[in-house]
Amino acid sequence: GQQVMQIPQYQHVQEGEDFTTYCNSSTTLSNIQWYKQRPGGHPVFLIQLVKSGEVKKQKRLTFQFGEAKKNSSLHITATQTTDVGTYFCAPRGGNNRKLIWGLGTSLAVNP
Amino acid sequence: EPEVTQTPSHQVTQMGQEVILRCVPISNHLYFYWYRQILGQKVEFLVSFYNNEISEKSEIFDDQFSVERPDGSNFTLKIRSTKLEDSAMYFCASTKAGNSNQPQHFGDGTRLSIL
Repeated sequence: GQQVMQIPQYQHVQEGEDFTTYCNSSTTLSNIQWYKQRPGGHPVFLIQLVKSGEVKKQKRLTFQFGEAKKNSSLHITATQTTDVGTYFCAPRGGNNRKLIWGLGTSLAVNP
Repeated sequence: EPEVTQTPSHQVTQMGQEVILRCVPISNHLYFYWYRQILGQKVEFLVSFYNNEISEKSEIFDDQFSVERPDGSNFTLKIRSTKLEDSAMYFCASTKAGNSNQPQHFGDGTRLSIL
């Protein structure tokens, strides 16, 4: 079945450093969603990417969808302690568009 | 902002017992999902539900699992005879429509601990 790989699995940064997580699929994706899960919390929707080469920004977060629609990335500029959590990419598939989850990238930020 | 609510927040049950996890999706949403997340692992899809029937289920969702929408607001997940490996966080999610452009809204989850 459809799977996504995320790298790195863990990332430890100093506050103020940049952070990037990459999401790769073996198959072409129709769209991809990104979610953030704080420790002990539930996944929260961040963004959806649909178009080839699409780039979307939310303040310090930049999301990109690859030209071939097989990969995506999330870049955080100048991380803050509030960025701590696990970031998941999740393409949607199936009959009713279930989310297909990768392992996520856990981000730790040292103040 | 409307939220998906789940009860209880934590359920402790003896192995072999039945457990019912409850969810109240956002009121104008039509598609409902259950996911589970074993501690430290990825989120896994269990089942999707629309128009009072299951639209898709995963291999995890075997005969021990069932879902129901007993009234206009609740969406429940029942595990008939719990096993140790059912211990996980269970998330309910809902979307307004089934097309892939809709974000899924998650509840805070129910932590299920099987003893």
